[in-house]
Amino acid sequence: DAKTTQPNSMESNEEEPVHLPCNHSTISGTDYIHWYRQLPSQGPEYVIHGLTSNVNNRMASLAIAEDRKSSTLILHRATLRDAAVYYCILNNNAGNMLTFGGGTRLMVKP
Amino acid sequence: DSGVTQTPKHLITATGQRVTLRCSPRSGDLSVYWYQQSLDQGLQFLIQYYNGEERAKGNILERFSAQQFPDLHSELNLSSLELGDSALYFCASSVAPRQAMNTEAFFGQGTRLTVV
Repeated sequence: DAKTTQPNSMESNEEEPVHLPCNHSTISGTDYIHWYRQLPSQGPEYVIHGLTSNVNNRMASLAIAEDRKSSTLILHRATLRDAAVYYCILNNNAGNMLTFGGGTRLMVKP
Repeated sequence: DSGVTQTPKHLITATGQRVTLRCSPRSGDLSVYWYQQSLDQGLQFLIQYYNGEERAKGNILERFSAQQFPDLHSELNLSSLELGDSALYFCASSVAPRQAMNTEAFFGQGTRLTVV
């Protein structure tokens, strides 16, 4: 299975942009890149996903490198509510489930 | 609110006992997934059902079983409980049979199981 590598933790100041990186050098051509986040004491929450092109939605933007070996989740203005563990996930080859790694714990300072 | 409902929210039971966790998926979602999250293991996929049939199995112990009923709700049964089974158990649902492709999954708030 294709694997992702994320920093264990990152810090950000409130109302500043946050760039969360993810490396996935063994990604295959049909793997979608998904991002989920998990707020404290809650279940994971879908953030965004993409295949090749950059994607935007109301929560975030996803920038995908041209060679698709890395991607960056961008939160345009971090709020305290964005403090969470962010998971970068690739499509499992079996396609049946999301395989979660360790994720990046984002801390937002007021 | 994801639309996925899990009950109970908290459960405390003794070793050796059996418990049942319940999940109601979002309206219209045919796939239900169960995950276990413990402090040292992270989120681990256990099992998936699609429209009543088992679709995929992860690291699910033989003491654990699940089923999906005709109304699409699902139950996860945990038996002969051990201290190490203490964890958060999450249910997720999606409309598609394959969760990880071009669809998003919706997770419930989880059931916190404590085995004493």
